[in-house]
Amino acid sequence: DGGITQSPKYLFRKEGQNVTLSCEQNLNHDAMYWYRQDPGQGLRLIYYSQIVNDFQKGDIAEGYSVSREKKESFPLTVTSAQKNPTAFYLCASSLAGSHTQYFGPGTRLTVL
Amino acid sequence: GIQVEQSPPDLILQEGANSTLRCNFSDSVNNLQWFHQNPWGQLINLFYIPSGTKQNGRLSATTVATERYSLLYISSSQTTDSGVYFCAVARVDSNYQLIWGAGTKLIIKP
Repeated sequence: DGGITQSPKYLFRKEGQNVTLSCEQNLNHDAMYWYRQDPGQGLRLIYYSQIVNDFQKGDIAEGYSVSREKKESFPLTVTSAQKNPTAFYLCASSLAGSHTQYFGPGTRLTVL
Repeated sequence: GIQVEQSPPDLILQEGANSTLRCNFSDSVNNLQWFHQNPWGQLINLFYIPSGTKQNGRLSATTVATERYSLLYISSSQTTDSGVYFCAVARVDSNYQLIWGAGTKLIIKP
C-alpha cells in the first residue's frame, strides 16, 4: 500500500539527548514537510524540502535539523537545543506543484 | 504574517444535526485548505478551496476570498465526523508554507 509512515509512534527522551524521528513515503512525492502540533493548537511548519538534497526552514526551525538524501526519506532530528520539544510531530508529502499534502500518523515525543 | 482564526473553538452536536464551521484570514491567499484530524491524530485533506464552492458527500465548503473567510458545512452529522477541523492558508508568495488555524473541535453524540 502507498502511504507515509512515521516511526516510532511514541518516543520518550531524556533532557539533553538528541533524537531522530523517521518519515518515509512511497508515493513518489517530491516535497516533504515536518510540522509540530502542541495541544489545542494548529500545526506549525518546522522544515520542508521540495527536492532531494535541498530543504528550507519553516517558522520554528530552531533546535531542529533535517536531511533529504533520498526522495523517500526525510528524517527530523530534535536536538538538545530545542527548549520545549514535547509535542506531536507530523510528517507530510505532496507532488511538486500540488496543493494537497498527505500526512503520516505522527510521532508523540515526550521529554522526561 | 497571516492570521487564521477559526470559530467556534468547540462544538457539541447530536447525531443527525448540521453544522457550519468558519475560518477567517487576515490577508490575501491563493491556497486555502480544510483538514480533519481524527481522535488518534491522523490528518486528512478535505478540500482545497481558495475560492468558490465545492461539495463532497455530506461535506461542502465555500470560500469568499474578497471577504477573507471560508465556511465548512457538515450535514447529517455522524459520530465518525468527530475530531478537529483545521483551516490552513498559504501566503500569496509562498504556496507551500501553510499557516494553520487553531481548529474547531467537533463532538458528535449518538
